[in-house]
Amino acid sequence: DTEVTQTPKHLVMGMTNKKSLKCEQHMGHRAMYWYKQKAKKPPELMFVYSYEKLSINESVPSRFSPECPNSSLLNLHLHALQPEDSALYLCASRALTGEQYFGPGTRLTVT
Amino acid sequence: GESVGLHLPTLSVQEGDNSIINCAYSNSASDYFIWYKQESGKGPQFIIDIRSNMDKRQGQRVTVLLNKTVKHLSLQIAATQPGDSAVYFCAENKVWTGTASKLTFGTGTRLQVTL
Repeated sequence: DTEVTQTPKHLVMGMTNKKSLKCEQHMGHRAMYWYKQKAKKPPELMFVYSYEKLSINESVPSRFSPECPNSSLLNLHLHALQPEDSALYLCASRALTGEQYFGPGTRLTVT
Repeated sequence: GESVGLHLPTLSVQEGDNSIINCAYSNSASDYFIWYKQESGKGPQFIIDIRSNMDKRQGQRVTVLLNKTVKHLSLQIAATQPGDSAVYFCAENKVWTGTASKLTFGTGTRLQVTL
């Protein structure tokens, strides 16, 4: 089983809203990732968690706040987003052998 | 700096023919590469990977070739099928700390399979 699940599939939010994206994996992977992907572009790394600790923050604005409650869950809290933040948000987890497995993504639209 | 790039943005192939998708990388220290397939509206799907101590790796209908001399990576798909239509990304994996690593993606190649 190489499944990473993400909820919700679609999200529309206003610029003053607070929302959260959720990601879950049960493969026992100890590294989890958030990526942002704009249309016709490759995924761009946002955050990396390793053993539930934030290892990499790719200079992401503070309106994006990641959280890793346990080894299976990863959240991305959103607040005061801008229309240019509209994108596909992808979660991934990494096996010890190196492969990263991606979830289906959350399609976010900021109005 | 490091970069991973692709030669062609779109590749059109007839059903049943073989497809070859190319990728150039610039970081000679890279030791691990991954190919992903991304269908419209879906997340990237792991296809195959290769480590720098290998020149070739085969999977089901797919083969990845690595030429370290010219820093070139290719994905070959045998007997291309309509279901292979997607965007293909090569990605360079760099170990950061412990189990954490960074993937740097190429710009992507769209594979269109014609009947």
